[in-house]
Amino acid sequence: KQEVTQIPAALSVPEGENLVLNCSFTDSAIYNLQWFRQDPGKGLTSLLLIQSSQREQTSGRLNASLDKSSGRSTLYIAASQPGDSATYLCAVKNYGQNFVFGPGTRLSVLP
Amino acid sequence: NAGVTQTPKFQVLKTGQSMTLQCAQDMNHNSMYWYRQDPGMGLRLIYYSASEGTTDKGEVPNGYNVSRLNKREFSLRLESAAPSQTSVYFCASSELGEGRYEQYFGPGTRLTVT
Repeated sequence: KQEVTQIPAALSVPEGENLVLNCSFTDSAIYNLQWFRQDPGKGLTSLLLIQSSQREQTSGRLNASLDKSSGRSTLYIAASQPGDSATYLCAVKNYGQNFVFGPGTRLSVLP
Repeated sequence: NAGVTQTPKFQVLKTGQSMTLQCAQDMNHNSMYWYRQDPGMGLRLIYYSASEGTTDKGEVPNGYNVSRLNKREFSLRLESAAPSQTSVYFCASSELGEGRYEQYFGPGTRLTVT
């Protein structure tokens, strides 16, 4: 059974810092991995999706990488801003199975 | 293009009452999902529908029923609400397109059972 963990559970950084959020999974036979952002009291917004054949995806200041052999994905946020404050979740999909979500990392970017 | 919509946004029920949460998507997706999100538990799958006319249990189906009314709509019913069902409920849809499944979420329904 796929298990997904995210470290750290919470992170507080000053504005302008580059930061890395981690997502680990136990079953490396994944189909794809998706990163989401969730603002307090809101739904999930898709940020990036990496297919199993890809090693990274980029969107603006965000870069997500995938290393299937080690069961890890990282979300890199460059030049963080207070507006980046949110909870970030990763979700993994294996072949023939449903998505499994990590517990999330709560990010606070201080002005 | 509204994406995934959910109604209601908020609901308070007394123990034993019933209600139906509605979800609709306008992206022509085949697959739809119902999740609940609880503090410290993350998102857990309640039921899903891989295609119109099919439904299957997820991780936490007890106390819930679902109906895939048509390709657009997927409803979740609580027959006899319990305080343990206090949660935030999210509907999502996805489609295998260009070799990738990508999920899209609705805004959620915040349910309190007293």
